Amino acid sequence: DAGVIQSPRHEVTEMGQEVTLRCKPISGHNSLFWYRQTMMRGLELLIYFNNNVPIDDSGMPEDRFSAKMPNASFSTLKIQPSEPRDSAVYFCASAWRPAGELFFGEGSRLTVL
Amino acid sequence: QQQVKQSPQSLIVQKGGIPIINCAYENTAFDYFPWYQQFPGKGPALLIAIRPDVSEKKEGRFTISFNKSAKQFSLHIMDSQPGDSATYFCAASKETSGSRLTFGEGTQLTVNP
Repeated sequence: DAGVIQSPRHEVTEMGQEVTLRCKPISGHNSLFWYRQTMMRGLELLIYFNNNVPIDDSGMPEDRFSAKMPNASFSTLKIQPSEPRDSAVYFCASAWRPAGELFFGEGSRLTVL
Repeated sequence: QQQVKQSPQSLIVQKGGIPIINCAYENTAFDYFPWYQQFPGKGPALLIAIRPDVSEKKEGRFTISFNKSAKQFSLHIMDSQPGDSATYFCAASKETSGSRLTFGEGTQLTVNP
């Protein structure tokens, strides 16, 4: 059974470029989360969706970040324009419900030069 | 009130030692306390979880101790092995109300051979 699938696994881009990260949650899960992990700040929740609806986006750093979930099987996190301080590992996770066990993908490592 | 404080930030033990990682929370409404384990290059994965109706839970070499009055819980790893070297995150949520997990800052554990 496939877990949470993220793409790309690695992305290197230049400052100012648009970055799009993709996530396919586990089939049947109703909640989807985007996290950012850095050495300095640990694991930060950026946004989460329940039944495809954004519930809490208070963790989104600024207007350069946006996330969508057009259907139950796909979500994107977009950064436009990207900056070097956005360099991090971005994780997508899904769950049956917001408070339940989270199943994480393997992450997308973003490097902005 | 949503914070979960975790310590220590890093921990080094010898094989066979018993590392202990501590977490403290403020929100007395929290009713679900999981621990996640993350290996390098992977996403976090659920290790063990406890609810406040019990003071201790064991799964193999991993034990959670829970002190409701002190609002603290801890992870003990018995007979630690080099393969246990990973980053450990505690978390908490109000499971009954469906709120999302709040993660601690993480502890990087190294078990030397």
